[in-house]
Amino acid sequence: AQRVTQPEKLLSVFKGAPVELKCNYSYSGSPELFWYVQYSRQRLQLLLRHISRESIKGFTADLNKGETSFHLKKPFAQEEDSAMYYCAPPPNFGNEKLTFGTGTRLTIIP
Amino acid sequence: NAGVTQTPKFRVLKTGQSMTLLCAQDMNHEYMYWYRQDPGMGLRLIHYSVGEGTTAKGEVPDGYNVSRLKKQNFLLGLESAAPSQTSVYFCASSPSYRYTDTQYFGPGTRLTVL
Repeated sequence: AQRVTQPEKLLSVFKGAPVELKCNYSYSGSPELFWYVQYSRQRLQLLLRHISRESIKGFTADLNKGETSFHLKKPFAQEEDSAMYYCAPPPNFGNEKLTFGTGTRLTIIP
Repeated sequence: NAGVTQTPKFRVLKTGQSMTLLCAQDMNHEYMYWYRQDPGMGLRLIHYSVGEGTTAKGEVPDGYNVSRLKKQNFLLGLESAAPSQTSVYFCASSPSYRYTDTQYFGPGTRLTVL
């Protein structure tokens, strides 16, 4: 299956420090990628997606085709950013069974 | 709009028992998915459906069956529950299968198999 990889299962960052959650992908073509977030006791929800080129809650993600990466960044972490973050491929890419990344649990230290 | 709802929220089963998880969406989405979420494993796709009356296997389909008799509902069945199926189950839907489509998730069902 074509997939995405999140190398960090856990990430702790001090409040006010920059945040970078890593995501690498392994499929060819022009990928569309998403970041989903799951706050404590809440459902997964879309944070942002590549095609929109937008910034949500201060987060941005740039697709780097040379490095096959889609890292999520925020210049100044806030306590409410503590959550589980998933990098995800599109629902369909050819006939591949696409899978989410394994997720990174981000903890913001006050 | 309620979005994506899941029934039940919690369930405890004994090994060998059966149960059905119900997912419902009111957004007229064509595609629906069942995932399981396990610590350190992330989200893994169990089965998915590209439309009413059709289903397909995902990454970890063994031990599960699904049905999509109505467009708005996607049922996940466990015929003979095993402790390895202890997990949090999420249902999701998307408007279509386009590569740009967002998935909308339900609140999850926490299942424990003793």
